Amino acid sequence: SAVISQKPSRDICQRGTSLTIQCQVDSQVTMMFWYRQQPGQSLTLIATANQGSEATYESGFVIDKFPISRPNLTFSTLTVSNMSPEDSSIYLCSVYGAGYTFGSGTRLTVV
Amino acid sequence: KQEVTQIPAALSVPEGENLVLNCSFTDSAIYNLQWFRQDPGKGLTSLLLIQSSQREQTSGRLNASLDKSSGRSTLYIAASQPGDSATYLCAHYILTGGGNKLTFGTGTQLKVEL
Repeated sequence: SAVISQKPSRDICQRGTSLTIQCQVDSQVTMMFWYRQQPGQSLTLIATANQGSEATYESGFVIDKFPISRPNLTFSTLTVSNMSPEDSSIYLCSVYGAGYTFGSGTRLTVV
Repeated sequence: KQEVTQIPAALSVPEGENLVLNCSFTDSAIYNLQWFRQDPGKGLTSLLLIQSSQREQTSGRLNASLDKSSGRSTLYIAASQPGDSATYLCAHYILTGGGNKLTFGTGTQLKVEL
């Protein structure tokens, strides 16, 4: 299965700033997925990122808040914009191959 | 809306016990089901994938079964060890027009004590 390198692993950010999370996959994949896991909760899909087209966002998530780039078949970024304490979560990227594989997560704390 | 429920929500057992984690889902037309492990503050590690045509999968001390007709999956952990302490998540796939989509369960937080 694919190996995903995700960074940063954690960050503490000031409210009103933005953070960009990167995921690098060791093989080419058509779709990459971005998830959020709020404290004590399960995972919620934010968006699906396809190379060469705009990401598809799930209900409750918008591009202005969570812009996504997908410049090639092995790389994607998720930006959390204009952050507030409510954005404090673990953010994860994922790809589908023989089952789903996840990155190691980015633990974001907004103060 | 698809729902996936995991019981128990938390479990504490002494080392060496065999244990069963349960996952139930509302839609019997699932495609595949996957079990994950998550350590605190970390990403997800895939444990077992059960494809729709299969009824169970085994890896080492882990065995997962799938009964689509009753909407249930179980994860059996044999001879539990302190290193098994983590949150266990089940997730099922539903085929959509754009591929398949994961729906996660609520998780079981497991603690194995010495």
